[in-house]
Amino acid sequence: KAGVTQTPRYLIKTRGQQVTLSCSPISGHRSVSWYQQTPGQGLQFLFEYFSETQRNKGNFPGRFSGRQFSNSRSEMNVSTLELGDSALYLCASSLWTGGASDTQYFGPGTRLTVL
Amino acid sequence: GEDVEQSLFLSVREGDSSVINCTYTDSSSTYLYWYKQEPGAGLQLLTYIFSNMDMKQDQRLTVLLNKKDKHLSLRIADTQTGDSAIYFCAENPDQAGTALIFGKGTTLSVSS
Repeated sequence: KAGVTQTPRYLIKTRGQQVTLSCSPISGHRSVSWYQQTPGQGLQFLFEYFSETQRNKGNFPGRFSGRQFSNSRSEMNVSTLELGDSALYLCASSLWTGGASDTQYFGPGTRLTVL
Repeated sequence: GEDVEQSLFLSVREGDSSVINCTYTDSSSTYLYWYKQEPGAGLQLLTYIFSNMDMKQDQRLTVLLNKKDKHLSLRIADTQTGDSAIYFCAENPDQAGTALIFGKGTTLSVSS
């Protein structure tokens, strides 16, 4: 079974631009979560989508948004990029049935650099 | 507030056992996880433990959970150079969601 895939793997943008990152979950997984990883703050939860609905949201500004499609693929968008948005963005998927199958499996991440 | 604490570095010799420790804050966390991250890669799930268990063994990995002290440990037996990576402990305090709270990670360095 294929793992979580994320595209693109690397991205360079300039301040003020916007960016869209994509995540394809493991086949059959309906929950997709996004995390930001930086050296200073570590891994922080951004948001989670389940059945095309945002179910949970972390403490990030409104410039960070996401969506999920009917095939469970998800995208996240960051508008008006700031230097501090440079990070590794990780996507994770899970079955979500209320048990150990809630375990999240991570993709390789998208490395975003904002200049 | 919610916080997961880990020591930042651990250095061992090949063949020794490694023990990585973690303390978590939310006693309602149902599952606790260990993830591994190699340079330039995403997170790889190593193992998890259900909160009503004290111990879980999976090949070279042993997880111990002390729920009273909110202490979790990961023991890697016969550590190899390929085990060099960053190890993250994570809890899920929100039983209705999937928002994991991670520690800052422990960098394990294995020398031959």
